[in-house]
Amino acid sequence: DTGVSQDPRHKITKRGQNVTFRCDPISEHNRLYWYRQTLGQGPEFLTYFQNEAQLEKSRLLSDRFSAERPKGSFSTLEIQRTEQGDSAMYLCASSLSRGSVYGYTFGSGTRLTVV
Amino acid sequence: AQSVTQLGSHVSVSEGALVLLRCNYSSSVPPYLFWYVQYPNQGLQLLLKYTTGATLVKGINGFEAEFKKSETSFHLTKPSAHMSDAAEYFCAVSVINSGGSNYKLTFGKGTLLTVNP
Repeated sequence: DTGVSQDPRHKITKRGQNVTFRCDPISEHNRLYWYRQTLGQGPEFLTYFQNEAQLEKSRLLSDRFSAERPKGSFSTLEIQRTEQGDSAMYLCASSLSRGSVYGYTFGSGTRLTVV
Repeated sequence: AQSVTQLGSHVSVSEGALVLLRCNYSSSVPPYLFWYVQYPNQGLQLLLKYTTGATLVKGINGFEAEFKKSETSFHLTKPSAHMSDAAEYFCAVSVINSGGSNYKLTFGKGTLLTVNP
């Protein structure tokens, strides 16, 4: 069990560019979650997958954001036409179906800076 | 909808002193409650969780928390602070939705713990 891996750890991009982040969950976990954490705040839920199905998207996830989890394994989060307000830490987590009972495992996050 | 309030965005203690980080929750149904720790530029590490059963929960690194339904609280304590405890701590709540599933954590804004030598 190597935990949840996120890549890259840091990303600096110019406003208007597209960025893509990757998350590799714990292999036996069927649920995968994306959260966003801005400075001085707790993580906020963005979206989650059960296997390859995206089951909920937060209103925080504007049309510029898209997430995928092909084949129910790794997931990608893409942000198109980045804005300075997108600067944040993007956290990925995974769990078994009963996440609240068995626990959620978080990755180290991808810190995005939009300049 | 559930919510979490962490009282005190910054708590400072001396090494060896008691650590008390406060968390109050709001939920119309029985909640599952969590404490996570985050070190700089790192992800979240689970300290402990309350699901059902015993209301006093022991976690890693000597931390424990007590679920008090009457006070809607889940405060985190450690008898003796260590320098390595300096980090940000987040309380979170999860509830079972109408579909019988619980999948979403709602976090508080966090409490930064500083430990002075």
